[in-house]
Parts: sequence; C-alpha cells; structure tokens
Amino acid sequence: ETGVTQTPRHLVMGMTNKKSLKCEQHLGHNAMYWYKQSAKKPLELMFVYSLEERVENNSVPSRFSPECPNSSHLFLHLHTLQPEDSALYLCASSLTVNTEAFFGQGTRLTVV
Amino acid sequence: GQNIDQPTEMTATEGAIVQINCTYQTSGFNGLFWYQQHAGEAPTFLSYNVLDGLEEKGRFSSFLSRSKGYSYLLLKELQMKDSASYLCAVRDRGGNYGQNFVFGPGTRLSVLP
Repeated sequence: ETGVTQTPRHLVMGMTNKKSLKCEQHLGHNAMYWYKQSAKKPLELMFVYSLEERVENNSVPSRFSPECPNSSHLFLHLHTLQPEDSALYLCASSLTVNTEAFFGQGTRLTVV
Repeated sequence: GQNIDQPTEMTATEGAIVQINCTYQTSGFNGLFWYQQHAGEAPTFLSYNVLDGLEEKGRFSSFLSRSKGYSYLLLKELQMKDSASYLCAVRDRGGNYGQNFVFGPGTRLSVLP
C-alpha cells in the first residue's frame, strides 16, 4: 500500500463512451501524475500537476482530459477512445516535482 | 529528446549479485531514479541519484556517473522475490514546462533457485 488509491481497478469501455479515472492520495504531496503503461513499451508520462496547476502535458491527445480539483485528487476524463488506448493507467504523487514518486495500483483499461 | 537504454532481460541465481545497467542521453539532467515493478503491480521506488557516486540501501545500491550518462543498480544476496522488472528513469529540465520525467524500457530480472 503506497498511499495512492486508484479507481476503478479495471474498466472496459466502448469507443463512444465517456468515463473517468480517479486517483486519491493522502500523503500530503503537492505533485500528481498520470502515466500510461502499454505492453512492451516504457512507462509514458502523460500529465504533471504541481499545486493543482498543470505543469507538463506530453503531447497527449485531447480525448484524454485531466482534472485536479485539489492537491489530493486527480482525474482523467476519457471520451471517444481508440482500441490502441487500451493500457494500464498509473497515477503517482510526490512531495514536490523534484522528489520520488509513489504509484497507485493502476487502472487496467480496455477499449472495445 | 531523451534516450534511455537498459538490457531487456537478465537471469541470476539466488544468493548471487547482479548489476543492471542504464545508459541515458539527455540535456538538463536533474536526477535518476530506479524503480522495481512486479508483474501486475505498481512500480515502487528503490533509489535516487543526482550526484556522482554510489548510494547504498541495504541489499540494493545505485551508482551514477553524469559525465558518462551511466547508472547501475546492484542487487546483492538475491532472493526469489527480487524477480521483477527494474525501471531506470531520468528527470530533466526539458518538456513543455521544464519538468520532464522519462522511464527506460525496464529490465526483467529472473532469479533462479
């Protein structure tokens, strides 16, 4: 248990659906991250938030929309996804953007 | 851009020592991290190096040479539970907002009895 909780753990959605992934941390961290982990590929950083402000967006398609309402919660809103978006989506948090990150268990997303 | 390279797979015997190498090319280097990831689980933090030299943490040690763009993770007294993927990650001052964090492809270590 790392102190970072993600829900749901598994999600199957159609290409026309809209869904949201949720991440919550009670570690008092100020930075939160979304990563994508596909089979046979390295972890890819998607978004970075520091003190609820987006500080990094690694050319992620607009069908992925992050939201950080406060320093403890992070969402990833999904709409009109493609089958190639199927992957493990990992949330992480760190005390600051310069310290080590703690990962949640991830959401296994399958787009059909 | 960044380029991080690690061996894809390694095999070692229980009780032995194994060294997992990581080479990187980046501008504005600002730290290197090692993570362990068991199959189906989240990555867990192992070590952090920002200055040259060796950092030791129990059975695990990590080394960094910034001039060579090189790091290694050393695992001693291997145990079966050490079978996992080991991820090297580099932070630099690139990216859209000056905070970039890139993971290498990972090295899958199998520990045999």
